[in-house]
Amino acid sequence: KAGVTQTPRYLIKTRGQQVTLSCSPISGHRSVSWYQQTPGQGLQFLFEYFSETQRNKGNFPGRFSGRQFSNSRSEMNVSTLELGDSALYLCASSTSGGGRVDTQYFGPGTRLTVL
Amino acid sequence: AQSVTQLDSHVSVSEGTPVLLRCNYSSSYSPSLFWYVQHPNKGLQLLLKYTSAATLVKGINGFEAEFKKSETSFHLTKPSAHMSDAAEYFCVVSSSGYSTLTFGKGTMLLVSP
Repeated sequence: KAGVTQTPRYLIKTRGQQVTLSCSPISGHRSVSWYQQTPGQGLQFLFEYFSETQRNKGNFPGRFSGRQFSNSRSEMNVSTLELGDSALYLCASSTSGGGRVDTQYFGPGTRLTVL
Repeated sequence: AQSVTQLDSHVSVSEGTPVLLRCNYSSSYSPSLFWYVQHPNKGLQLLLKYTSAATLVKGINGFEAEFKKSETSFHLTKPSAHMSDAAEYFCVVSSSGYSTLTFGKGTMLLVSP
């Protein structure tokens, strides 16, 4: 099976712009989670989607949003970019049905730099 | 609420010597625990996971971890370090019924020849 793929791998944006990142989960996986990784804050949970519905949300401002499509692919959007949004954004997928804690498989990440 | 504390930000070992990466957790519910590894400029790779079966969990590349409820610990060990083990390691907790992962701050493992 192909792993989790994320596009693009690298992005450079300027403050005030918006950005959309894409994630394709492992075939058959219906849950997609997004994480932000920075040197200062480490890995932090952004949100999780399951069957096109946001099931959990982390403590991030409303500028961070996401969605999931019927084929389980997911996108996250960050509007009005700030310098502090520079980070590695990781996507993870799992089967995660029925409330069990399933293993999450991570993609390679998208490195976002905000200038 | 759940949290993870990785007790060392950096661990240095020589090739061929044992590795010990320490992790303590806190969870209101029966936890699932994971160790992930991240090589430079790469995503996270699962090493092993504990989900209330055997308390000694064997993972990939010779790593293993022991769940100790009384000590709320889940330390990662390997008998003999290899140069390719140099990476950052994350201890992760997730409470039963929730898919949200809570990560520790990470331990950078340095392996010298």
